[in-house]
Amino acid sequence: SQTIHQWPATLVQPVGSPLSLECTVEGTSNPNLYWYRQAAGRGLQLLFYSVGIGQISSEVPQNLSASRPQDRQFILSSKKLLLSDSGFYLCAWSLSGGYTFGSGTRLTVV
Amino acid sequence: DQQVKQNSPSLSVQEGRISILNCDYTNSMFDYFLWYKKYPAEGPTFLISISSIKDKNEDGRFTVFLNKSAKHLSLHIVPSQPGDSAVYFCAATPNSGNTPLVFGKGTRLSVIA
Repeated sequence: SQTIHQWPATLVQPVGSPLSLECTVEGTSNPNLYWYRQAAGRGLQLLFYSVGIGQISSEVPQNLSASRPQDRQFILSSKKLLLSDSGFYLCAWSLSGGYTFGSGTRLTVV
Repeated sequence: DQQVKQNSPSLSVQEGRISILNCDYTNSMFDYFLWYKKYPAEGPTFLISISSIKDKNEDGRFTVFLNKSAKHLSLHIVPSQPGDSAVYFCAATPNSGNTPLVFGKGTRLSVIA
């Protein structure tokens, strides 16, 4: 069966520090992968999606970046975090139609 | 520009009664719609979906209705239970495997015992 792993579950980082969130999928090949952020009052905002290794589409201009070094690995990064980067970050995968989400990472930038 | 709108941020319903969550969309290319349920500090989980070729889909206590002419869909939960208390997200897509889902802002449902 397919599973999705996302870590860490919670993270507190100072402003200006780097960020690396990792997401891996098991039990499927060549999935579409997504990074979403849930910020207060803003619902689920699509940040990045990838249809294959090295293929990244960015939906929202910001100081975040994403990479897909392997078929089932999706990484969200930042070189310097801002206060406004605080939120609940969700990774998801799909093959067609609906998504399966990871358990999320609560990021607090202080 | 919000393509998927959930205009009610919150809803309170008594246990045993019907919960109706509404969703409107603006993009006429959308033809596949989904509802997700989210508990705090967890990822959303899929609840029910509907394709534009149908106007109703039912799964146990959950029914989704689609009115394409009005670009409106709704989720009915009957009877509502305390465990249904969560944030519900409406999502839509043009039903392409590579097109990301567009989500609404969510509605927080509280079912009161």
